[in-house]
Parts: sequence; structure tokens; C-alpha cells
Amino acid sequence: DQQVKQNSPSLSVQEGRISILNCDYTNSMFDYFLWYKKYPAEGPTFLISISSIKDKNEDGRFTVFLNKSAKHLSLHIVPSQPGDSAVYFCAAKGEYGNKLVFGAGTILRVKS
Amino acid sequence: DTAVSQTPKYLVTQMGNDKSIKCEQNLGHDTMYWYKQDSKKFLKIMFSYNNKELIINETVPNRFSPKSPDKAHLNLHINSLELGDSAVYFCASSLNFVSYEQYFGPGTRLTVT
Repeated sequence: DQQVKQNSPSLSVQEGRISILNCDYTNSMFDYFLWYKKYPAEGPTFLISISSIKDKNEDGRFTVFLNKSAKHLSLHIVPSQPGDSAVYFCAAKGEYGNKLVFGAGTILRVKS
Repeated sequence: DTAVSQTPKYLVTQMGNDKSIKCEQNLGHDTMYWYKQDSKKFLKIMFSYNNKELIINETVPNRFSPKSPDKAHLNLHINSLELGDSAVYFCASSLNFVSYEQYFGPGTRLTVT
């Protein structure tokens, strides 16, 4: 069963515009959420995270929003840059230990 | 300096063989992980070690055996390789068991023919 879902396999955005990547989860016990970015032939790199006690976390051009009632989070990138083109993974941490559950990823293409 | 390194980067082998993938981290982290990225692109945790002790062991065939000689290294040995083992395997580390941020290696693409 997929506890973390990224329903959009890909997203294409013009440079300078906003990129919005979405993630849904089913397990209400998840208490921490992370976004990872992955370039081809490299491992995922941590981008930004949010605790379940917050609804927003911002870091420069990246903002993550969490809607607990809807079990939904989104990553906003403003303004989008060509270097942001990568695969973005949403991940969630359960209440025990530090096991992360990942979504399948969304390919973001930022066109210049 | 690479924080989390894996060798080899690519591994092509035949069914039935035994192979190992090595992982090293120079971050001074206590906790290390192995993930498998399957054909559907999901990253799924296989194992986690904290200070050389196994703490997470997901439902993985016992043909897969992790070994941690010290807290900077976590190797993955796979016996009797099967076609379904073809995947990208990622090693990762985190500061400790309660640290949420994990740092990933570049991955090892295993192809079983």
C-alpha cells in the first residue's frame, strides 16, 4: 500500500513562475514530512521539512505547506529556475524511530 | 569530499551469483541505512543500523545481509541474486537514530541478467 502518494509524475513550469508539487498521505500517525530533490545519477538531497505541529515552513525560494485535515502537503518553489529541474520526493516519518516512507517522486522541468 | 560514498556505481551480474555493495560515510553519523529504488521509482527502506546495531529490518529476503564493521561503514551482501533484485540501491546516513534528515549516497545500479 502506498502511504505517501505523489499523483503527478511530472510537472513543467516556465522559468520565473511558481512550481507547486503535491503530496498526499494516508497514515495519520506521520508526524514529520520532508522533501528531497534528486538529480540523475545522484542520490536524493534533503531540501526542506515540516513538523506536523506546523502548517508552513519557508526556506528561501522553497515553502512547504501542510494541511493535516486533508493529509496533504505541497512544496512551492518561487521563482522557479532551470537548476530546479530534478525529481522531487516527498517523504514522511512515522511515530517510531526514523523510518522514512517515500512517494514515487515528481519530475519537475523548468523551461528557460 | 564525498559525504556518503558507495561502490560500485554500476554492477551487472548473472542470476545465482553473490555480490556486495559497500557504503562509507565520513560525516561522523551514528545511523546508516540501505534503501531500494524499484522499477516504480519508490524508495523503500531495507535496513538501518545505529552504531553497528541493526535497528530496522524491513521485510527483505534473507538473501540480503547487511554488515556494519564500524559505524562509518554499512555493506550490503546479496546471495543467490534473482532478476527481481535489479534496482538502484541507495545508502544513507543520519546524525543519530532520532535525526530526521538523511544524507544519501549516489546509488548503485544493480542489473541481474
